[in-house]
Amino acid sequence: LAKTTQPISMDSYEGQEVNITCSHNNIATNDYITWYQQFPSQGPRFIIQGYKTKVTNEVASLFIPADRKSSTLSLPRVSLSDTAVYYCLVGPPEYNTDKLIFGTGTRLQVFP
Amino acid sequence: DAGVIQSPRHEVTEMGQEVTLRCKPISGHDYLFWYRQTMMRGLELLIYFNNNVPIDDSGMPEDRFSAKMPNASFSTLKIQPSEPRDSAVYFCASSLLAGGYSSTDTQYFGPGTRLTVL
Repeated sequence: LAKTTQPISMDSYEGQEVNITCSHNNIATNDYITWYQQFPSQGPRFIIQGYKTKVTNEVASLFIPADRKSSTLSLPRVSLSDTAVYYCLVGPPEYNTDKLIFGTGTRLQVFP
Repeated sequence: DAGVIQSPRHEVTEMGQEVTLRCKPISGHDYLFWYRQTMMRGLELLIYFNNNVPIDDSGMPEDRFSAKMPNASFSTLKIQPSEPRDSAVYFCASSLLAGGYSSTDTQYFGPGTRLTVL
């Protein structure tokens, strides 16, 4: 089981770049790194996933160093609507209950 | 598609009562998941189904919890008898394949059911 560690909370202001780092020292060779976003009173939703190096989509960027023991979710120029909980998950494509642990995530609060 | 549908959205009950939560997954999705979310423990997977068959229920907290999926478009999570510590938000999610970790096959979550057991 590749456990993950991420900050409990972060604060930012509108227009700033936010970087949330997740540690996963025991990541396995076939594990992917996936981030979900959860707005208040809603279920989580997938935002980005990667295996190594850098991945970018319309929502965020994901940076993964060569050793893959950590990853950083980068949100460019955040707005108030980015206030949410962000979860880092690490696991293989196939399911196993032990690996599908979202945990408490990182609670991002964006201020005006 | 309307997405994953859950009912009720809110449920308040008294300790000892039976509670039934309902979920309609996205049409065509082969996997269905039940999660529980609390402030203390975050989001936990309780059980998941593949093609209506329960695959792994090791996340179910105890025998008071049971889940069924009688057909591809409906699932229930039942708590009998309910206890105050069961108070949480319960989410249902579905996915097309054994994904969640894949950018091409993610889990789609419903709006959740907020359960309060007094």
